[in-house]
Amino acid sequence: EIVLTQSPAILSLSPGERATLSCRASQSVSSNLAWYQQKPGQAPRLLIYDASKRATGIPARFSGSGSGTDFTLTISSLEPEDFAVYYCQQRSNWPLTFGGGTKVEIK
Amino acid sequence: EVQLLESGGGLVQPGGSLRLSCAASGFTFSSYAMTWVRQAPGKGPEWVSAISASGGSTYYPDSVKGRFTISRDNSKSTLYLQMDSLRAEDTAVYYCAKALFGTGTAPYDYWGQGTLVTVSS
Repeated sequence: EIVLTQSPAILSLSPGERATLSCRASQSVSSNLAWYQQKPGQAPRLLIYDASKRATGIPARFSGSGSGTDFTLTISSLEPEDFAVYYCQQRSNWPLTFGGGTKVEIK
Repeated sequence: EVQLLESGGGLVQPGGSLRLSCAASGFTFSSYAMTWVRQAPGKGPEWVSAISASGGSTYYPDSVKGRFTISRDNSKSTLYLQMDSLRAEDTAVYYCAKALFGTGTAPYDYWGQGTLVTVSS
């Protein structure tokens, strides 16, 4: 099973600041990695797929990079609605796995 | 507009069974793989099962293999999850989700609102 480790667990930032979230895989997943955003009481929302492709309707301030085992989700300038929990997910190997999440909170 | 509506959750005793349904609309259901993902209180998402567009291929993690069965009725645009031999650790909100691509089983671009399954005596 591929383990995805996200860091940091909590990121305390102010609106307008840049957020950099990390996801590290225990073995290569090539570019088969997605990022989701989840707010309390809501289902996850797809942001990025195939490591760097933005899903439909996702603002340009969200970007993804990386391949193999190291991936990054960057939010260039935090908007109030971006404070949430972010998860990465790999689809390279069964079973499909999610990371433990990074909570982006208001500083 | 794509809509996924889960139903069938509730309280069940350990060892019991439950069948979840997910009614889909707004897209060609028979063209997309579907999946179930669960989320225990305060925890991250956990993939539970996936099924190909035709229903001919199904996938499970070891944690539910042999106890859960995913199926679909493309004529009714409905996804199912039969859950048997339920355990306390199966307590979670269960989401159905649609695969982004016609081929492949992840990632997921549309999710339902979730249905809560509680396993307790």
